Amino acid sequence: EVQLVESGGGLVQPGGSLRLSCAASGLTISGYWMHWVRQAPGKGLVWVSRINSDGTTTTYADSVKGRFTISRDNAKNTLYLQMNSLRAEDTAVYYCARVYGDYGWFDPWGQGTLVTVSS
Amino acid sequence: DIVMTQSPDSLAVSLGERATINCKSSQSVLYSPNNKNYLAWYQQKPGQPPKLLIYWASTRESGVPDRFGGSGSGTDFTLTISSLQAEDVAVYYCQQYYSTPYTFGQGTRLEIK
Repeated sequence: EVQLVESGGGLVQPGGSLRLSCAASGLTISGYWMHWVRQAPGKGLVWVSRINSDGTTTTYADSVKGRFTISRDNAKNTLYLQMNSLRAEDTAVYYCARVYGDYGWFDPWGQGTLVTVSS
Repeated sequence: DIVMTQSPDSLAVSLGERATINCKSSQSVLYSPNNKNYLAWYQQKPGQPPKLLIYWASTRESGVPDRFGGSGSGTDFTLTISSLQAEDVAVYYCQQYYSTPYTFGQGTRLEIK
């Protein structure tokens, strides 16, 4: 089955850190841009970050710049998101998604992992 | 940033009837060198990730029923469901991939009347 599977979410206190993983099975992430998108409970979709196929180019939303770091390990077919200095407003389901080319649509998406920032 | 605005926020349509969702971008997402609109549509059902329906504003993803259609160019786009089925109840999002930050519309909730 072709899928992306996120993990690493959970409950963390404000100011804390988490590392999300996105493991691909039945498909390769090698050669593709990979992205993170988040969705706060009951809210819409918000793009977070992207990384190019060899990991040399990254882009971030202003809301996470300087706090989040996207990375990848093509040998492990896995994408990561290191989240530091977490805030209550970072509470969301985090999805990883693959994009073909520098600018393209998201497909497929993972099932998502919930991050809750609360004391 | 390109702002995407969908209308309406919610919509109730009878089974078998047409549903129309609009999406407007704050600047054109038409890339002149290839004449393509960098606009996608997604469907999201409760507890599920978004599912790609349409890309390049009007190209239906493989496996998506042909009752789903996308149209428009530049700054104004439309998603049309020609004959609403019960399984189409969902929230629909448009998204531009013309420039970063990629941005989504706020979503349109589609229900059965």
